[in-house]
Amino acid sequence: ETGVTQTPRHLVMGMTNKKSLKCEQHLGHNAMYWYKQSAKKPLELMFVYSLEERVENNSVPSRFSPECPNSSHLFLHLHTLQPEDSALYLCASSQNEGTASYTFGSGTRLTVV
Amino acid sequence: KQEVTQIPAALSVPEGENLVLNCSFTDSAIYNLQWFRQDPGKGLTSLLLIQSSQREQTSGRLNASLDKSSGRSTLYIAASQPGDSATYLCAVGKAAGNKLTFGGGTRVLVKP
Repeated sequence: ETGVTQTPRHLVMGMTNKKSLKCEQHLGHNAMYWYKQSAKKPLELMFVYSLEERVENNSVPSRFSPECPNSSHLFLHLHTLQPEDSALYLCASSQNEGTASYTFGSGTRLTVV
Repeated sequence: KQEVTQIPAALSVPEGENLVLNCSFTDSAIYNLQWFRQDPGKGLTSLLLIQSSQREQTSGRLNASLDKSSGRSTLYIAASQPGDSATYLCAVGKAAGNKLTFGGGTRVLVKP
């Protein structure tokens, strides 16, 4: 375990479902991130939260809705997704000062059917 | 807009050979550069972090150099082993608590 835990590890959902991805970190970091990794593409940043405030929304469709209730938890709420949203969703955390080393979770493999 | 490129996209070497992985970035105003390893279907494992003021970092068989002015970093893996087979990703950060911009990765296969 890296200190960043993501659940579930795998998720299959229909296009009309609502589901949530969860990320939890116990590293004392104050910035958290959602990245999307699709086949044969570089990792794409989706959202950045620093000190629980959303500081970046990288032109992500509204069917993805992030939530950061505190500095240790990050959620990604999913609603009416499309098959092209199938990907590996990675959560990461870092400090917003000092070395700012990133730590990633193991990811949630999402399949939209 | 920062762009990060990794060449080659794939690399296959016999066991014992040294690996050299290249990363280039277009904007030299970076805060840090981080190398990661990713096994198939898994998350990213941090290997080395180089701050913008540093020239290199070492950990065991791994050594990463940074030439900020030319926008380049190189990851050296000495005496490669089959267990080193993975995808290696380079990423640059513009500021602390800010996003990382990733390269496309180099997929490495070390043959026994």
